[in-house]
Amino acid sequence: DAGVIQSPRHEVTEMGQEVTLRCKPISGHDYLFWYRQTMMRGLELLIYFNNNVPIDDSGMPEDRFSAKMPNASFSTLKIQPSEPRDSAVYFCASSLGRIYQETQYFGPGTRLLVL
Amino acid sequence: GENVEQHPSTLSVQEGDSAVIKCTYSDSASNYFPWYKQELGKRPQLIIDIRSNVGEKKDQRIAVTLNKTAKHFSLHITETQPEDSAVYFCAAHLFSGGYNKLIFGAGTRLAVHP
Repeated sequence: DAGVIQSPRHEVTEMGQEVTLRCKPISGHDYLFWYRQTMMRGLELLIYFNNNVPIDDSGMPEDRFSAKMPNASFSTLKIQPSEPRDSAVYFCASSLGRIYQETQYFGPGTRLLVL
Repeated sequence: GENVEQHPSTLSVQEGDSAVIKCTYSDSASNYFPWYKQELGKRPQLIIDIRSNVGEKKDQRIAVTLNKTAKHFSLHITETQPEDSAVYFCAAHLFSGGYNKLIFGAGTRLAVHP
């Protein structure tokens, strides 16, 4: 298995632009998570899906952030408009089974820089 | 509130020494405690986990202990090697606001010197 796939790996954009991050979970996994990692705030859970349905989006910073999972093999995290404080590494992770029972496998991350 | 505290934030040891990282959590109902290792520029990867029905778990040079009464758990690495150098994150499951979550500690940067 190729593991969790994320694209792009690096993104540099200007403030105000729309940014779309993409994730393909491990085949067969029914949970998908989006995390943000910064030096100041560490690893933060933004949102997670179970069977393509958003379960908990309480970690999404504000309305500029949105996430979708149109099918079991694809999810997007969109930031519109982007701001410099959104600069971070965004990880997607997936697991097979409940959040408190099964390993979460992380993708390689997308390093986002908003100028 | 939802909180996992991790100490120390940095740890420097000589090759061959042991390293211990400690975490405390706030929710007594937490029942799953994974540890992740993140090498520079790489993704976090699970190295060991423990559930609330056991007090200790070992995997070669790595062990994790759990004290549910005190609400803390620790990672022990013996015979450290330079390739153990990385940031280590603990995490705890909790049920909050009607949802299950994994809350991560702030991380410990471990440096193993040859």
